[in-house]
Amino acid sequence: DAKTTQPPSMDCAEGRAANLPCNHSTISGNEYVYWYRQIHSQGPQYIIHGLKNNETNEMASLIITEDRKSSTLILPHATLRDTAVYYCIASANYGGSQGNLIFGKGTKLSVKP
Amino acid sequence: NAGVTQTPKFRILKIGQSMTLQCTQDMNHNYMYWYRQDPGMGLKLIYYSVGAGITDKGEVPNGYNVSRSTTEDFPLRLELAAPSQTSVYFCASSYLGGGETQYFGPGTRLLVL
Repeated sequence: DAKTTQPPSMDCAEGRAANLPCNHSTISGNEYVYWYRQIHSQGPQYIIHGLKNNETNEMASLIITEDRKSSTLILPHATLRDTAVYYCIASANYGGSQGNLIFGKGTKLSVKP
Repeated sequence: NAGVTQTPKFRILKIGQSMTLQCTQDMNHNYMYWYRQDPGMGLKLIYYSVGAGITDKGEVPNGYNVSRSTTEDFPLRLELAAPSQTSVYFCASSYLGGGETQYFGPGTRLLVL
């Protein structure tokens, strides 16, 4: 599985957009970029994933560079409840060991009033 | 649907004792996973299962055993508890393998003294 690199922490003002970067320069062609978050020791929660096109859902947007070596998760209007550790993971989208998720330390996002 | 449930929520074990962490999902998911999370670290995969009767090792399987006799249940067994197994344990499930959305349980906090 590809290794991802994320900043250890970030701050964001409430109501502003939070942009969380992730580098995955060794990502393979069959690997997707997944984002999960973990709020205060709860179980991680899926946010969004993509292969090469930008994706948007009700929680966030995912921007993947054309060379797929990096991506950015965007929370358009961050709230205090978005304070969490955000994990960026590169993984194949099929079963077996290559498809297992490998969690790094993630980025701790602190949303401040 | 209750989703993924885990019992117990918290347990203290003495060194050398044994216990089983229970995990049940009611979403008819094929894939189930056990992770452990040490303080300040990301999740590490212990074991996973692609269906009833089929299990495989993850990144950190030593000291643990699993079984999958039904689609719904995926218990994790600690035979001889050691202080190094003090951690938070998360169970997860997904319909398909790979990074396909994994649903996590609330976790079991285990303290081995």
